[in-house]
This record gives sequence, structure tokens and C-alpha cells, in this order.
Amino acid sequence: GDSVTQMEGPVTLSEEAFLTINCTYTATGYPSLFWYVQYPGEGLQLLLKATKADDKGSNKGFEATYRKETTSFHLEKGSVQVSDSAVYFCALRGGGFKTIFGAGTRLFVKA
Amino acid sequence: NAGVTQTPKFQVLKTGQSMTLQCAQDMNHEYMSWYRQDPGMGLRLIHYSVGAGITDQGEVPNGYNVSRSTTEDFPLRLLSAAPSQTSVYFCATLPGEGVYEQYFGPGTRLTVT
Repeated sequence: GDSVTQMEGPVTLSEEAFLTINCTYTATGYPSLFWYVQYPGEGLQLLLKATKADDKGSNKGFEATYRKETTSFHLEKGSVQVSDSAVYFCALRGGGFKTIFGAGTRLFVKA
Repeated sequence: NAGVTQTPKFQVLKTGQSMTLQCAQDMNHEYMSWYRQDPGMGLRLIHYSVGAGITDQGEVPNGYNVSRSTTEDFPLRLLSAAPSQTSVYFCATLPGEGVYEQYFGPGTRLTVT
């Protein structure tokens, strides 16, 4: 069945460092891909998405490119801030209503 | 427009007790779902509904019941609480299939002693 694998955390960075959180997926067909962010004590909220191969989703300085050939959707940000400290989830939907989530990666950013 | 609301925010139960977690949405979304979030395991789907009167099981349905009598509400019932059900529970909605993102409630933190 469909699955999402993302790098284990926690990831600890200093402010202004470059961030990469790896995400790979297994799915039949052409799923839509998502990154969600969860701030402490809150529910998940959409960070960005891509719906077809080679699409780049972007929001708040974060980017991810849908790579069909490597089945990947890695999250990147050029310069992280303390306020980016959160848990990040990669997810896919292959069609229909069901969403498959990765295990989440916790990011700590130090001032 | 409140989006997705969940009550209560926190709850402590004793083993064997029953309770209902409430979820309501005002966005007229057809699809609603319940997830539990446990450390290192991401979100696991408990039950979902594709419209009023229609529900189905997700990945981890045992010990939980749901019903969907209206588009707006999707309560989750714990029949006889067990310590293994200690978790954070999230309700989520979806406007349609495929490319749309889900909208999550703020969560209910449940502890079963």
C-alpha cells in the first residue's frame, strides 16, 4: 500500500542555518503531496503542497519539489528562524479521501 | 467561521469509563476523519466519514465508535477506555478528493489511568 517515509528527528539547527527534511513515498499512480506543520499545542496546518511531477510548492520561505523519478518531496528552507521550531509532517493522497502521513520530524532552532 | 472545533481540550479518564469526543465543522465539508497521534508514530486514522450517514473504519478502529448524523458533527466514542488509548486525538475535514488539503481541529489530549 501507499506509504511515506521521512527522516527521523529531532533536527537541531542554529538560527539562519539551511534546513532539509527528507521525505520519500511509495504510491501507485500520481498522488498529491503535502507538507504540514504542527506548532506546540496545536493541530496540523498545511505548509505547502504539490499536485503533479516537477511542481514546486512554496510558502513562508519553505519549498519542496515533487520528484517523480526519485519519489521524493524534500522540504527545504534557506534560513531558519526560532519561530520555525515545530513538527513537520510529509503526507500524500493518491486519490479519494485518505491521506497517508509520515511519522513527523521535530525541528528545534536555537537562537 | 470557526473551522474545525473539538471539545474537550483535555480529559482524564479511568480505565473502563466511556466518553465522547466532540468534533464540529462549519465549512460544509463532506469528508471528516479522526486521527490519533502518538510519539514516533505520526497520525493514524481511526474512523472516517464521506458524508452524513456514511462511516468506515481506518487503520486503528478497535475500541472506538463513530456516527455521522449531520454534515457538521462527527463524534468519537470510547466505549471502555484503556491506558493504550492515551493519546492526542485530532479531527480533520476535507472539502473533496485528490488535491485538497485537510483542515485540522486543535486536538483533544486524553489520558487514561
